[in-house]
Amino acid sequence: DTGVSQNPRHKITKRGQNVTFRCDPISEHNRLYWYRQTLGQGPEFLTYFQNEAQLEKSRLLSDRFSAERPKGSFSTLEIQRTEQGDSAMYLCASSSRVQETQYFGPGTRLLVL
Amino acid sequence: GNSVTQMEGPVTLSEEAFLTINCTYTATGYPSLFWYVQYPGEGLQLLLKATKADDKGSNKGFEATYRKETTSFHLEKGSVQVSDSAVYFCALSATGFQKLVFGTGTRLLVSP
Repeated sequence: DTGVSQNPRHKITKRGQNVTFRCDPISEHNRLYWYRQTLGQGPEFLTYFQNEAQLEKSRLLSDRFSAERPKGSFSTLEIQRTEQGDSAMYLCASSSRVQETQYFGPGTRLLVL
Repeated sequence: GNSVTQMEGPVTLSEEAFLTINCTYTATGYPSLFWYVQYPGEGLQLLLKATKADDKGSNKGFEATYRKETTSFHLEKGSVQVSDSAVYFCALSATGFQKLVFGTGTRLLVSP
């Protein structure tokens, strides 16, 4: 059990560019969650998957955001046409079939200039 | 909707002092309650949890009791250490395996 991993750990981009983040959950965890955390705030839910199915999306997830989990293993979160307001820490978490506890990765810190 | 309210920080204590961080929640049904901790430069770690009323979660000397009558889940520790300095987040999950709703976090600073 190597824990949840996220790549890259840091990303700096210019406004208008597209970015993609990857999350590798704990092996055999069937649920995967994405959250966003801005400075001084708690994480806010974005979306979650059970296996490859995306079961819920927050209203925070505008049309510029898309997430996939094609084979029910790793997941990607893409932000198109980034805006300065997208600057935040993007967190991924996973949980197993039998235990609801969510285990978090270290996050990807995005800075949009 | 579901929400979590935490006391604002920072909370500044001397080593070996008693700690309380207040957390109250609003939720329909019977949520599960969690405390997560974020040490400087690290990711969120689960500290403790409770899944039903009157349950007490405990870990590393920290405790919190699920109080349905007061909709609270206050975090306590009898004697804090410098190494406990971190940001503490209270969170709920409305039903099993659902999204977590977090409070804004409380920063704890412990001085020697």
